[in-house]
Amino acid sequence: GENVEQHPSTLSVQEGDSAVIKCTYSDSASNYFPWYKQELGKRPQLIIDIRSNVGEKKDQRIAVTLNKTAKHFSLHITETQPEDSAVYFCAASRASGNTPLVFGKGTRLSVIA
Amino acid sequence: DADVTQTPRNRITKTGKRIMLECSQTKGHDRMYWYRQDPGLGLRLIYYSFDVKDINKGEISDGYSVSRQAQAKFSLSLESAIPNQTALYFCATSLGTGHNQPQHFGDGTRLSIL
Repeated sequence: GENVEQHPSTLSVQEGDSAVIKCTYSDSASNYFPWYKQELGKRPQLIIDIRSNVGEKKDQRIAVTLNKTAKHFSLHITETQPEDSAVYFCAASRASGNTPLVFGKGTRLSVIA
Repeated sequence: DADVTQTPRNRITKTGKRIMLECSQTKGHDRMYWYRQDPGLGLRLIYYSFDVKDINKGEISDGYSVSRQAQAKFSLSLESAIPNQTALYFCATSLGTGHNQPQHFGDGTRLSIL
């Protein structure tokens, strides 16, 4: 089955700097890659997702890149702000079949003002 | 607002007790999921359901059972709770016939087993 590894497990950055979180996956048939943000004491919420037919997707200060050959994808946050502090989870799945979403173990991002 | 509601939000109980966690949704989604979150281990799938007639085991189904009473309701049971089932439990829903749709999570149930 699918295995998703996420690095680093913790990340501290200065406000205004960029943050990058990387994930690798094992199933070459996976083609959907979402990212979830979980603020302290809150539910996980989708912030961005990418499908295998594109290599990059941006939404304001957030971008995700995908390298299907190397089987890795990354979340990039630019101009970090204190409200970006949270735990971020990557995930991967196939679009069809009985293979549900598999999550990475999470990255705790701290943005220091 | 259409949402995913979990009850109870917090529960403390004793080893050996039967526990039921409930999830209801007003999103009209067919797919529902139960996850367990432990520090450093991320979100692990316990069970998922495509519709009321379909139940599937996830990565860590041992010690748990589920019931899909209606499209909008999906319950998780611990038949005989044990301390290592202490965790934060999330219900989620998604739309569509594949797994490539965003999942919408409830606020979670914090379960402590003494």
